[in-house]
Amino acid sequence: EVQLVESGGGLVKPGGSLRLSCAASGFTFSSYGMNWVRQAPGKGLEWVSFISASGTYIYHADSLKGRFTISRDNAKNSLYLQMNSLRAEDTGVYYCARAGWELLGDFWGQGTLVTVSS
Amino acid sequence: SDVLTQPPSVSVAPGQTARITCGGDIIGSKSVHWYQQKPGQAPLLVIYDDSDRPSGIPDRFSGSNSGNTATLTISWVGAGDEADYYCQLWDSYTNHYVFGAGTKVIVL
Repeated sequence: EVQLVESGGGLVKPGGSLRLSCAASGFTFSSYGMNWVRQAPGKGLEWVSFISASGTYIYHADSLKGRFTISRDNAKNSLYLQMNSLRAEDTGVYYCARAGWELLGDFWGQGTLVTVSS
Repeated sequence: SDVLTQPPSVSVAPGQTARITCGGDIIGSKSVHWYQQKPGQAPLLVIYDDSDRPSGIPDRFSGSNSGNTATLTISWVGAGDEADYYCQLWDSYTNHYVFGAGTKVIVL
């Protein structure tokens, strides 16, 4: 059974940093691209970042302006999102998802809540 | 870059058919995927590659894509289908994923 479990969310002050993790199991993690998606309270889904299976290709949403970095450790079956210079508008639930061909996510984690507030 | 247009809401009586549209420039030439999201839950893939269903998704869910409109159709709608539905595609010019704004299905 495919499982994706996010962790690392919490309350952080504006300008602060946070590192999210996504632990994968039930499939060959090193064979799949992965995505981060976020959802602000009461809003729609917003794609954040993609990383290819080997980590060779990385894409980020333009709105992030270089503040976020996606990475992975295939030996640990883990996906990460380093978030710097956090702003109030970064508040929301962050999901990791397993990517397919042009498909953002065939399986999703349950999400982790990030709150940016003073 | 691609912009996907969805109606904010669709209302349907129980047992009837709901049709959710996703409009975009020549969207028919791209693969469109659909997600269902119920309150407090993670999104769930219900249709991929325009019209394919993942394992476990009932055949009441179907999809089509042609011209400038992709459509998710839910037949025999029940209370359990009340959710937000999002369309998504891959923009190969920008290497970005794109979501529609989402459509809330309301079962009357």
